[in-house]
Amino acid sequence: KQEVTQIPAALSVPEGENLVLNCSFTDSAIYNLQWFRQDPGKGLTSLLLIQSSQREQTSGRLNASLDKSSGRSTLYIAASQPGDSATYLCAVSLNKLSFGAGTTVTVRA
Amino acid sequence: KAGVTQTPRYLIKTRGQQVTLSCSPISGHRSVSWYQQTPGQGLQFLFEYFSETQRNKGNFPGRFSGRQFSNSRSEMNVSTLELGDSALYLCATRDPTGTDTQYFGPGTRLTVL
Repeated sequence: KQEVTQIPAALSVPEGENLVLNCSFTDSAIYNLQWFRQDPGKGLTSLLLIQSSQREQTSGRLNASLDKSSGRSTLYIAASQPGDSATYLCAVSLNKLSFGAGTTVTVRA
Repeated sequence: KAGVTQTPRYLIKTRGQQVTLSCSPISGHRSVSWYQQTPGQGLQFLFEYFSETQRNKGNFPGRFSGRQFSNSRSEMNVSTLELGDSALYLCATRDPTGTDTQYFGPGTRLTVL
């Protein structure tokens, strides 16, 4: 059974700092890994998807890396802003998405 | 393109009742998956439908069921509601172009009293 772990569970940083969010998974047999953002009481917004054959993906201030052999992914958010405050979830995909519990980020103005 | 829509957005039911939730996928997306999100268990996979057929199912009791129509719209039904069924129910559709990106709707918040 795939287990997905996200560390830390919560993170508070001042505006302008870079964010580093970690995700680990136990079974490397995945199609891809996807990072999502969730605002309180809302649905999930897709941020980045990394195919299993790729090592990283970038979109604006966001960069995600994937090391399938070690079962790890990292999401970097550069120059954080208060609007980045949300819960960030990673999910690995085989026949379904298996989610981590998320990292709740607070960016202080 | 319009995003994934879910109706209703909020529901309040009492124990023992049943409920039906609806999900309309992005136009052209034929795969619809359902997830339950609770504070204790996080996001858990319920089932996935593709072309009106269930092709994957999670570890939920038979009280949870679903179906998909020919226009790809999907419904899920929960019978004999329990307090523990209170959750945010999310549906997701899969990009058919090969990226496999999944797009989520805003969810239906179900409260069971």
